[in-house]
Amino acid sequence: KQEVTQIPAALSVPEGENLVLNCSFTDSAIYNLQWFRQDPGKGLTSLLLIQSSQREQTSGRLNASLDKSSGRSTLYIAASQPGDSATYLCAVLPTGANSKLTFGKGITLSVRP
Amino acid sequence: DAGVIQSPRHEVTEMGQEVTLRCKPISGHNSLFWYRQTMMRGLELLIYFNNNVPIDDSGMPEDRFSAKMPNASFSTLKIQPSEPRDSAVYFCASSLSLRASGRPTDTQYFGPGTRLTVL
Repeated sequence: KQEVTQIPAALSVPEGENLVLNCSFTDSAIYNLQWFRQDPGKGLTSLLLIQSSQREQTSGRLNASLDKSSGRSTLYIAASQPGDSATYLCAVLPTGANSKLTFGKGITLSVRP
Repeated sequence: DAGVIQSPRHEVTEMGQEVTLRCKPISGHNSLFWYRQTMMRGLELLIYFNNNVPIDDSGMPEDRFSAKMPNASFSTLKIQPSEPRDSAVYFCASSLSLRASGRPTDTQYFGPGTRLTVL
């Protein structure tokens, strides 16, 4: 059974810092991996989707990498801003006919002004 | 586009009552997902539909839960009877799946969720 872990559960950084959020998964047989952002009281917003054949994806100040062999993904946020404060979740879609997205519990990021 | 619409946004009910959550997916999307989020268990997929047909309901906790999708623009998740342990935030998400298998390979768009409290 695929398990997704995100450590630490919470992170606080000063504004302007470059930061890395980590995600690890137990089974490397994945179809894709996605990073989502969740603001308090809101739904999830997809940030980046990386196919299993890709190594990374970029969108603005965000860069997500994928290393299937080691079961890891990182979300890099450049020049963090208070508006980046939110919970960031990663989710993997295993291969297999009846697979479903498996989510980590998320990292709650606080960017201090 | 208005995005995925869920109603109600908040629901407080007493144990034993029937609860119905509603979802309107993004127009043109052909896959719909129901998730439940709790502090203890995180985000869990309950059921998903492709072209209005349930594809995988293995995440539905028990027979008290049922979901329907009578047409491409509407879905319901019903809990009957409700119990305090059902208290959670329930999300609906939709996507455009271009694969005949209906597997959830594409970006999902989430609604704002329904916060359910069962007393």
